[in-house]
Amino acid sequence: DSGVTQTPKHLITATGQRVTLRCSPRSGDLSVYWYQQSLDQGLQFLIQYYNGEERAKGNILERFSAQQFPDLHSELNLSSLELGDSALYFCASSTDSFPQYFGPGTRLTVL
Amino acid sequence: AQSVTQPDIHITVSEGASLELRCNYSYGATPYLFWYVQSPGQGLQLLLKYFSGDTLVQGIKGFEAEFKRSQSSFNLRKPSVHWSDAAEYFCAVGARGSGDKLTFGTGTRLAVRP
Repeated sequence: DSGVTQTPKHLITATGQRVTLRCSPRSGDLSVYWYQQSLDQGLQFLIQYYNGEERAKGNILERFSAQQFPDLHSELNLSSLELGDSALYFCASSTDSFPQYFGPGTRLTVL
Repeated sequence: AQSVTQPDIHITVSEGASLELRCNYSYGATPYLFWYVQSPGQGLQLLLKYFSGDTLVQGIKGFEAEFKRSQSSFNLRKPSVHWSDAAEYFCAVGARGSGDKLTFGTGTRLAVRP
């Protein structure tokens, strides 16, 4: 158990819909990272927050957004969903630099 | 921009045999290098990382990796593989100043023969 929790574990929705994925980092970790893992794209960095502020952006679509709240949990919002958004979404956290502890992931299926 | 190549998609070794997983990176400056392991249905777990200093890095679960600048490589090794090591292994490269962004390789799936 990494100490990073993600909810929900599985999410099935329809194209055009909007979903919110939630992540709670390890206690004391200020950095939260979001990654997308799919068969065709592999592991792709989406976005990083540090103590509530956006720190880095990767290959995150404009339809996607994220935030980190004062209690350090983070949410990833995916809107206008397309079939190609089906993937595993991982959250990771760290105390210092670079993702160290990964959560179990949320598997998103868009039908 | 940095990139990582893991040339082996699948590797099968016998339990007790030694293991080496290859990783080559491309980056203009001194890279930060990582190996992660992902068991089926799980998130990634950090095995080891290289930032600077001794080029031979020890990690968890008996793994080690060696940074070779001249070959742009960071291969992962284990002297004796256990059945529980069957998983997917990812090499990653990072760069300071890019917001701690990691670029991952495509992974190597390890199978262990009993």
